Amino acid sequence: DQQVKQNSPSLSVQEGRISILNCDYTNSMFDYFLWYKKYPAEGPTFLISISSIKDKNEDGRFTVFLNKSAKHLSLHIVPSQPGDSAVYFCAASGAGNNRKLIWGLGTSLAVNP
Amino acid sequence: DAMVIQNPRYQVTQFGKPVTLSCSQTLNHNVMYWYQQKSSQAPKLLFHYYDKDFNNEADTPDNFQSRRPNTSFCFLDIRSPGLGDAAMYLCATSRDFTGTEQYFGPGTRLTVT
Repeated sequence: DQQVKQNSPSLSVQEGRISILNCDYTNSMFDYFLWYKKYPAEGPTFLISISSIKDKNEDGRFTVFLNKSAKHLSLHIVPSQPGDSAVYFCAASGAGNNRKLIWGLGTSLAVNP
Repeated sequence: DAMVIQNPRYQVTQFGKPVTLSCSQTLNHNVMYWYQQKSSQAPKLLFHYYDKDFNNEADTPDNFQSRRPNTSFCFLDIRSPGLGDAAMYLCATSRDFTGTEQYFGPGTRLTVT
């Protein structure tokens, strides 16, 4: 049972345009959400996170939006750059002591020059 | 720079021959994790240490063991590797469970022949 779903396995955008990566979750007890970026043959790199008490968090070109009623979050990258080409993982964690990360399957982003 | 280091980056072992993967961190984080990641899949948590307290995931095979002799080092032992254990093994750390950002090493790619 996939509690965190990234329904688009891949996404292709032009350099300079906006990339929007989507993530849906099923467990309403999740209260913290993270995005990780992974290049081939490397470990995931933490990108940005958002707490359930917020609906938006911004860090430079990266913005994460959270819609709790829809159990949906999205990562916006503006403007997209070729170096952003990587696999992006959405992850979620629960409240209290249950901080185990539940991961989506990832979306492979290709930013074309 | 504070970091998570994994050695070796690539490891080849024979079917049934014990193998040990190592991880060290300079972040002085309390929690260390071991994940298994296969192609096109999300990272799968095997177990984690909070300080010296070991926490095994329910579905982690007995074939996988871990040791954490001190804060900085953590080892993954695979007692009798099978062909299905070929994967990328990722070590990660986090300060504690209240801040859930995990910092990953580059991973060790294990091949079983």
